[in-house]
Amino acid sequence: AQTVTQSQPEMSVQEAETVTLSCTYDTSESDYYLFWYKQPPSRQMILVIRQEAYKQQNATENRFSVNFQKAAKSFSLKISDSQLGDAAMYFCASVFQGAQKLVFGQGTRLTINP
Amino acid sequence: DAGVIQSPRHEVTEMGQEVTLRCKPISGHNSLFWYRQTMMRGLELLIYFNNNVPIDDSGMPEDRFSAKMPNASFSTLKIQPSEPRDSAVYFCASSLVRTDGKTQYFGPGTRLLVL
Repeated sequence: AQTVTQSQPEMSVQEAETVTLSCTYDTSESDYYLFWYKQPPSRQMILVIRQEAYKQQNATENRFSVNFQKAAKSFSLKISDSQLGDAAMYFCASVFQGAQKLVFGQGTRLTINP
Repeated sequence: DAGVIQSPRHEVTEMGQEVTLRCKPISGHNSLFWYRQTMMRGLELLIYFNNNVPIDDSGMPEDRFSAKMPNASFSTLKIQPSEPRDSAVYFCASSLVRTDGKTQYFGPGTRLLVL
């Protein structure tokens, strides 16, 4: 079975500092897509960043970047210069080859301390 | 450009009543997904459509749930009769598979409470 695992139920960071959220996945396929979604208290699911497995270069979006380690099946999210608005639940997810269904991790609740 | 639109945003109903959730995908997207989020089970896919055709409904919990997509700009998820265990947040998402790398964009969700 293809799975996505987030081993950190909760994380906290001081405002303006950097935090890394971990995600691992399990698949035997070579072609897939990886995503990080943010879910603030409003419950809206917001796309943060996307990584195609065939691309070696790590994706970046402003203060958000990923560390994609394909051999280790690891896909961590780094948030630089944390802001109060970054406080949310963060979900790692994947769409595996030949499928369209998103497989989600359990989520990591991120708290930003002022 | 408008995102995925869902209605209603909140629904409170009594056990046994029929509930209809509505979704308008992003214009031009050809895939539509219905997800359910609960504390116990997390996010789970209920059903998805490609070009208005249901492709995988294996996540639909039971016959009380049904989904339709009569055209490219509208889908419904119906629960009849509703039960308290159906209480959850229901999300609709859409994507344009060929050009957008399977990225799914979510609506704001419908928070359903069945009493």
